[in-house]
Amino acid sequence: EPEVTQTPSHQVTQMGQEVILRCVPISNHLYFYWYRQILGQKVEFLVSFYNNEISEKSEIFDDQFSVERPDGSNFTLKIRSTKLEDSAMYFCASSQVSGLAKNIQYFGAGTRLSVL
Amino acid sequence: QKEVEQNSGPLSVPEGAIASLNCTYSDRGSQSFFWYRQYSGKSPELIMSIYSNGDKEDGRFTAQLNKASQYVSLLIRDSQPSDSATYLCAVTVETGGFKTIFGAGTRLFVKA
Repeated sequence: EPEVTQTPSHQVTQMGQEVILRCVPISNHLYFYWYRQILGQKVEFLVSFYNNEISEKSEIFDDQFSVERPDGSNFTLKIRSTKLEDSAMYFCASSQVSGLAKNIQYFGAGTRLSVL
Repeated sequence: QKEVEQNSGPLSVPEGAIASLNCTYSDRGSQSFFWYRQYSGKSPELIMSIYSNGDKEDGRFTAQLNKASQYVSLLIRDSQPSDSATYLCAVTVETGGFKTIFGAGTRLFVKA
């Protein structure tokens, strides 16, 4: 069964460093998403991406964050200058475009980001 | 502020019983409604999607939607210990793009 793949599974970084989290969405999906989940808290929407541009973003997704689809398969989340409070699990998701199925999002296993 | 509210639980039911999980949402423009299951340390896994008022059944799961009351529920029949997890209600609003808001989840514990 097709799945969303995220790498790395765990990223440890020093405060102030830049990190790039990588995702390979399901191949025939055209909508891509990033979410984060701080330990013990709810899943929070960060951004949705379609047709090579951001289609929606939350107030969390400030200038520190950026997303990119550098080639036909990868979808990345860059955090420019990490803060302690960026420590969380980051989930990538993807969905199809057509019909009612366009809203059904499939999640990757997540990348645990630890900022020291 | 768009909100999705769930009772955090834990909800404890005996094996074989029906578990009933509830969710309310604040944005009347919400168009798509989902229930995800999340095991500790894992990613959300889609259980059910529902888009129109009424009931939708899939195996042991039934989702119910009432847009007038801004209410979504999930029933799990014949609950099993393996159903023990956190159940997340998620609501999507389409305003050009898609934005999905998750509730904080209800922890379900099924006792063997």
